[in-house]
Amino acid sequence: DVKVTQSSRYLVKRTGEKVFLECVQDMDHENMFWYRQDPGLGLRLIYFSYDVKMKEKGDIPEGYSVSREKKERFSLILESASTNQTSMYLCASSAAGTGAFGNTIYFGEGSWLTVV
Amino acid sequence: DQQVKQNSPSLSVQEGRISILNCDYTNSMFDYFLWYKKYPAEGPTFLISISSIKDKNEDGRFTVFLNKSAKHLSLHIVPSQPGDSAVYFCAASGYNNNDMRFGAGTRLTVKP
Repeated sequence: DVKVTQSSRYLVKRTGEKVFLECVQDMDHENMFWYRQDPGLGLRLIYFSYDVKMKEKGDIPEGYSVSREKKERFSLILESASTNQTSMYLCASSAAGTGAFGNTIYFGEGSWLTVV
Repeated sequence: DQQVKQNSPSLSVQEGRISILNCDYTNSMFDYFLWYKKYPAEGPTFLISISSIKDKNEDGRFTVFLNKSAKHLSLHIVPSQPGDSAVYFCAASGYNNNDMRFGAGTRLTVKP
């Protein structure tokens, strides 16, 4: 089974703090993603990476950055946390293939971040 | 601009009856459509998918129907069970999965 592990399930941070959310996958997947989930808005893509050191902006990259130094690890960074970044953050991964093979993405359990 | 829309935020059905969850999309370039199921405090899990060359895909109690001309897909669950109670997300992507987009989700409640 694919395992996507997010290091922190629940975090409380202060406004202005730098926040790191870590994600590790064990299936040697090329693609990794960061989404945030908010009520009524579904899952919105923040950033994705299709290879080590490669990254692409998603729909809502403002206020975030990412790092992928190793294939299995994808980190989301909030440079200066703000209250509107309070949300559930979901990491995901998928294989590089196209079609149904590459289009199935696997999610971690999520990280609940509260910024006060 | 939401490219994938789930207009019903919630749905309640009786155990044993059919659940029908609907999804509309605007981008005609989408090639693959997926449904994910999410329980509280857990990440979404893949449920079923369909490619644009098909109009129906079935997996046990779950069937997804695709109407490309209407840009509409639906998930049928028959018979519905209380364990099916969860939030269901519709997703769509092009040929590569880099551009996968999700709907807002529909909360399904199946009453015993």
